Amino acid sequence: DAKTTQPNSMESNEEEPVHLPCNHSTISGTDYIHWYRQLPSQGPEYVIHGLTSNVNNRMASLAIAEDRKSSTLILHRATLRDAAVYYCILRDMESRSTLGRLYFGRGTQLTVWP
Amino acid sequence: KAGVTQTPRYLIKTRGQQVTLSCSPISGHRSVSWYQQTPGQGLQFLFEYFSETQRNKGNFPGRFSGRQFSNSRSEMNVSTLELGDSALYLCASSLTGTSGDTQYFGPGTRLTVL
Repeated sequence: DAKTTQPNSMESNEEEPVHLPCNHSTISGTDYIHWYRQLPSQGPEYVIHGLTSNVNNRMASLAIAEDRKSSTLILHRATLRDAAVYYCILRDMESRSTLGRLYFGRGTQLTVWP
Repeated sequence: KAGVTQTPRYLIKTRGQQVTLSCSPISGHRSVSWYQQTPGQGLQFLFEYFSETQRNKGNFPGRFSGRQFSNSRSEMNVSTLELGDSALYLCASSLTGTSGDTQYFGPGTRLTVL
């Protein structure tokens, strides 16, 4: 599966927007882009996913570059509860190797300051 | 709708023993996946079950095994425990386990091997 590259850590102030980048230069046309996050002492939780177009939900927005080689998770107003490790994950819709499987990298540790 | 539940939440075992962990998926979900999380290796995929069949498997020794029951509940077993098996074991469920599907994680079982 194609790999992703994320910064190890980022910081933000509360109530400010946060843009979390992810590079996936070897992405294939059949790869979904998923974002999960893991809050301290909890299991990961789904944030958002997309294929080609930008996506919005109640938690965040996902901006996908036109060439799909990078994407950005946008938290519009960071709260203290958003402090977590954020994972950018590719899942190939045509590969059996991704059945029930998420490939987690190291993710980005987001710190939110009050 | 109730979330993914895992029992027990904490376990302490000694080397050489075996352990069984349980996972109850969200109602209606047929895919159950298991992950191991350690500080050194991060989140690693163990295996996935769908309709009582193992469809996908990670790179773990045969001491790690699992099964799924007709009601989609799943168990994983670790035999001949080693110190390095100390970890957070996470279970996740999804409707089908396919790449566009969302995985919902439980809180995990913290296993300590002494």
